[in-house]
Amino acid sequence: AQSVAQPEDQVNVAEGNPLTVKCTYSVSGNPYLFWYVQYPNRGLQFLLKYITGDNLVKGSYGFEAEFNKSQTSFHLKKPSALVSDSALYFCAVRDRYSGYALNFGKGTSLLVTP
Amino acid sequence: GAGVSQSPSNKVTEKGKDVELRCDPISGHTALYWYRQRLGQGLEFLIYFQGNSAPDKSGLPSDRFSAERTGESVSTLTIQRTQQEDSAVYLCASSLGMGRQGVYEQYFGPGTRLTVT
Repeated sequence: AQSVAQPEDQVNVAEGNPLTVKCTYSVSGNPYLFWYVQYPNRGLQFLLKYITGDNLVKGSYGFEAEFNKSQTSFHLKKPSALVSDSALYFCAVRDRYSGYALNFGKGTSLLVTP
Repeated sequence: GAGVSQSPSNKVTEKGKDVELRCDPISGHTALYWYRQRLGQGLEFLIYFQGNSAPDKSGLPSDRFSAERTGESVSTLTIQRTQQEDSAVYLCASSLGMGRQGVYEQYFGPGTRLTVT
């Protein structure tokens, strides 16, 4: 079985400050990990993914995420938040051996204030 | 290029009626997925198509739900005898198929918001 937890329903950050959106996962084998963002009235957009290799993954819009196998985490980070980053963020996981569908977390709402 | 498109964008139906939702994937994407997003929840996997292989239907919540795909193009998700708990946003995604190169990300459509009254 595979699952994803996003422990925070909402994260509030001031513009210009660093942001972190947390994600932990549970899979039976090695994971494939993804972050997606959902802006109001728009579909999910792919941000970044971890497949293998370097634990620090860089993605779109200045976002990055760090894969930590010992802590089974894949937190999303950005050094300096923008108001336009305000959106709903979803972490997703896929076990390498159990099908192709993604298992999504419940999402974290990020609010960046001016 | 064109992204994943879905129609209709909104659908209001009466309990007990059947509905059909349509998805047009990105051209060249052999894999197609349907998910359901209930209010305040993450996405629930429903069904997956890959090329000419048998679809993975393991996420379909009941036999009222079915989906078809014509070759590597359009897919329709059908919900028969709709219930109020079927109210949700239904999202379609497509991706390049699995390959030796690794795992391909899924590209999502804007969704169909289904309301069952």
